[in-house]
Amino acid sequence: KAGVTQTPRYLIKTRGQQVTLSCSPISGHRSVSWYQQTPGQGLQFLFEYFSETQRNKGNFPGRFSGRQFSNSRSEMNVSTLELGDSALYLCASSREGGTPYNEQFFGPGTRLTVL
Amino acid sequence: AQTVTQSQPEMSVQEAETVTLSCTYDTSESDYYLFWYKQPPSRQMILVIRQEAYKQQNATENRFSVNFQKAAKSFSLKISDSQLGDAAMYFCAYRTPAQKLVFGQGTRLTINP
Repeated sequence: KAGVTQTPRYLIKTRGQQVTLSCSPISGHRSVSWYQQTPGQGLQFLFEYFSETQRNKGNFPGRFSGRQFSNSRSEMNVSTLELGDSALYLCASSREGGTPYNEQFFGPGTRLTVL
Repeated sequence: AQTVTQSQPEMSVQEAETVTLSCTYDTSESDYYLFWYKQPPSRQMILVIRQEAYKQQNATENRFSVNFQKAAKSFSLKISDSQLGDAAMYFCAYRTPAQKLVFGQGTRLTINP
């Protein structure tokens, strides 16, 4: 079974631009979560989608948004990029939401650099 | 708010020796899950071991085991017979009832041959 895939793997943008990152979960997984990883702040939860609905959201500004499609694939969008948005963005999928036991499987991440 | 603290930014151990990574957490919940994740230089986060808070028995996965002290809110990871492939960043994480993972700052583990 294929793992979680994220595209693109690397991205360079300039301040003020917007960016869209994509995540394809493991087949059969309906929950997709997004995390931002930076050296200073560590790993921080962005949001979680389950069955095309945002179930949870972390403490990030409205410039960060996401969506999930009927095939469970998810995208996250960052508008008006700032230098501080440079980070590794990780996507994780799990079989279903609702029970904390479900293991989250992580993708390789997208490295975003904002110049 | 739930918090996870890893007090050791870096650890090193000789190959074949045993090392213990520390983790403490803060929560008011009674039922939750704790995890240790490993992130090698390739950056793919991998689950090492998990512990259900309602289980008193410490979880074990081959060379990896935990010491779970619920009252003390402590969740340490012991790696026995350390191997070069164990070198990585290790993250302790708490899973909230709302499904999100709260991570510690990580411990960079170096294995000396």
